[in-house]
Amino acid sequence: QQQVKQSPQSLIVQKGGISIINCAYENTAFDYFPWYQQFPGKGPALLIAIRPDVSEKKEGRFTISFNKSAKQFSLHIMDSQPGDSATYFCAANTQGGSEKLVFGKGTKLTVNP
Amino acid sequence: DVKVTQSSRYLVKRTGEKVFLECVQDMDHENMFWYRQDPGLGLRLIYFSYDVKMKEKGDIPEGYSVSREKKERFSLILESASTNQTSMYLCASSLWGGTNYGYTFGSGTRLTVV
Repeated sequence: QQQVKQSPQSLIVQKGGISIINCAYENTAFDYFPWYQQFPGKGPALLIAIRPDVSEKKEGRFTISFNKSAKQFSLHIMDSQPGDSATYFCAANTQGGSEKLVFGKGTKLTVNP
Repeated sequence: DVKVTQSSRYLVKRTGEKVFLECVQDMDHENMFWYRQDPGLGLRLIYFSYDVKMKEKGDIPEGYSVSREKKERFSLILESASTNQTSMYLCASSLWGGTNYGYTFGSGTRLTVV
């Protein structure tokens, strides 16, 4: 049973555009929502994370938007660059609960020059 | 920087062989994980260990076993490799109670079973 649903599976954006990846979750006990970025030939790396006490978190060109009532969160990449081309995974967990993150299935982002 | 090192980047094994994938982390992390990554299926947890000699099954443990004799090392064992175990295998580690600090992943081992 997939507990975090991620969309789209793939995304093509022009340089300078905005990339948006969406995730939805079912477990209302989740209270930690990280995003991971994976370049070809590398393992995923933590990009940015949010907790449900805030609706938005921004780090440079990357922003997480969080909607607790809708049980959805999204990653926005502003001014997308070819170097942002990677696979992005959303994830969720419960603090104080299992140490295991639940991952979405990933989105392959391609930013064309 | 925390490093998670997987011993092989590429492996080719024959059907029926016993295969060992090794993972070592250098930051004294309590938790270690093995995932497999397949196109369209994302990251699927095989096994998880939160302490030496402790292990917990993930979502897809069938056909796999693990060993954690030392805190820094977590081994994934394919008892009798099959072609459907051809995949990218990723090891990760994290602090106990520290998933809020994220997992650190290795670079992966691409295993081909022929």
